Amino acid sequence: EAGVAQSPRYKIIEKRQSVAFWCNPISGHATLYWYQQILGQGPKLLIQFQNNGVVDDSQLPKDRFSAERLKGVDSTLKIQPAKLEDSAVYLCASSLVSLGELFFGEGSRLTVL
Amino acid sequence: QKEVEQNSGPLSVPEGAIASLNCTYSDRGSQSFFWYRQYSGKSPELIMFIYSNGDKEDGRFTAQLNKASQYVSLLIRDSQPSDSATYLCAVRYSGGGADGLTFGKGTHLIIQP
Repeated sequence: EAGVAQSPRYKIIEKRQSVAFWCNPISGHATLYWYQQILGQGPKLLIQFQNNGVVDDSQLPKDRFSAERLKGVDSTLKIQPAKLEDSAVYLCASSLVSLGELFFGEGSRLTVL
Repeated sequence: QKEVEQNSGPLSVPEGAIASLNCTYSDRGSQSFFWYRQYSGKSPELIMFIYSNGDKEDGRFTAQLNKASQYVSLLIRDSQPSDSATYLCAVRYSGGGADGLTFGKGTHLIIQP
């Protein structure tokens, strides 16, 4: 069974530029999460989707971050404009059902200069 | 604000000894508790989860939960050098469909050969 796929694995941008990350969850997984992990810290939930609807985006900085999950499968997380403090690994995770085990992708490492 | 606290370490343990990792959480409504292992540059992987007070054993790993004290721990018996990693404690509080995990900062464990 294929795992959670993410791309790009690495991205370097200048502050105020924009960036987008893509996630393809495990086939059939209804729930998808985006986490931000800053170096030395634990992952922080940004947004949770159930199918293509947003369940929780309370910690998403909506002035610069946006996310969508069209057709309830793939998801894209966008940052515009980026700030230095956005440098982090962006982890996508999926679970078969709500309250199920989370499976993480390898992450997308963002460096903002 | 839901918080999960862990000692960041590093915690150094001789090979073959028992490693004890601890975690406290702030929200008494938390319902399930998870331990993840994260190697440097890799994504978190689930080791164990526990829902009920008491102990839960899985091979060399034992998770302990005390809801009255809001305390979770992970014991690793017969520690191996391959156990050297960061261990993340995570707590799930579900409500209104939102069930994302809240993570601690992690404890860096070093097993000395």
